[in-house]
Amino acid sequence: QSALTQPASVSGSPGQSITISCTGTSSDVGSYNLVSWYQQHPAKAPKLIIYEGSKRPSGISNRFSGSKSGNTASLTISGLQAEDEADYYCCSFAGTSTFVVFGGGTKLTVL
Amino acid sequence: QITLKESGPPLVKPTQTLTLTCTFSGFSLTTSGVGVGWIRQPPGKALEWLALIYWDDDKRYRPSLKSRLTITKDTSKNQVVLTMTNMDPVDTATYYCAHSEFGSGSYHFDYWGQGTLVTVSS
Repeated sequence: QSALTQPASVSGSPGQSITISCTGTSSDVGSYNLVSWYQQHPAKAPKLIIYEGSKRPSGISNRFSGSKSGNTASLTISGLQAEDEADYYCCSFAGTSTFVVFGGGTKLTVL
Repeated sequence: QITLKESGPPLVKPTQTLTLTCTFSGFSLTTSGVGVGWIRQPPGKALEWLALIYWDDDKRYRPSLKSRLTITKDTSKNQVVLTMTNMDPVDTATYYCAHSEFGSGSYHFDYWGQGTLVTVSS
């Protein structure tokens, strides 16, 4: 059960936009529009910020957006703010056998 | 308002069995489509999905850990219990429970507990 592949770290300056990729396979990301993204601040529980590829839960800023192309999903954060500095994890449904797979996580640093 | 809270021993010895309880409120595990999952995170590492139980008592397990995991529910107490046998130091992690509606086709975890750190050491 391989994890989805994310870059270990990304960085950006306040006001800029960044994109975090999440690469899977045709058995998970590529087969289902069921990628979710979670934000995790240090010593805190993960928080859902994107589900079903591009939908935002109530209360999540529209600065967060999600997309997918082939086997790769992406999270874009626009208008970077200091409070966006956190770890970000993607997750995908992977069929009835593997079921759920998470990415390795990406540390976002706001310079 | 949906809340979940994990409880269990902070320290277990190698080879012992770990029992974790997730106590929740704000939803019912008898409602069609609802599920509760367990996810863990070793210190400084990534999230790892472990198990999920549906409202209808259907269960799913991480394939690589299936032989060691058991998930059950007690709807009268609003609790979900995860047991993991033959604990090893590599199982040291923060264990989270989370609400989902997997049974309704919503394959994401929308509410999470605060997590409980379990250390495996002799």
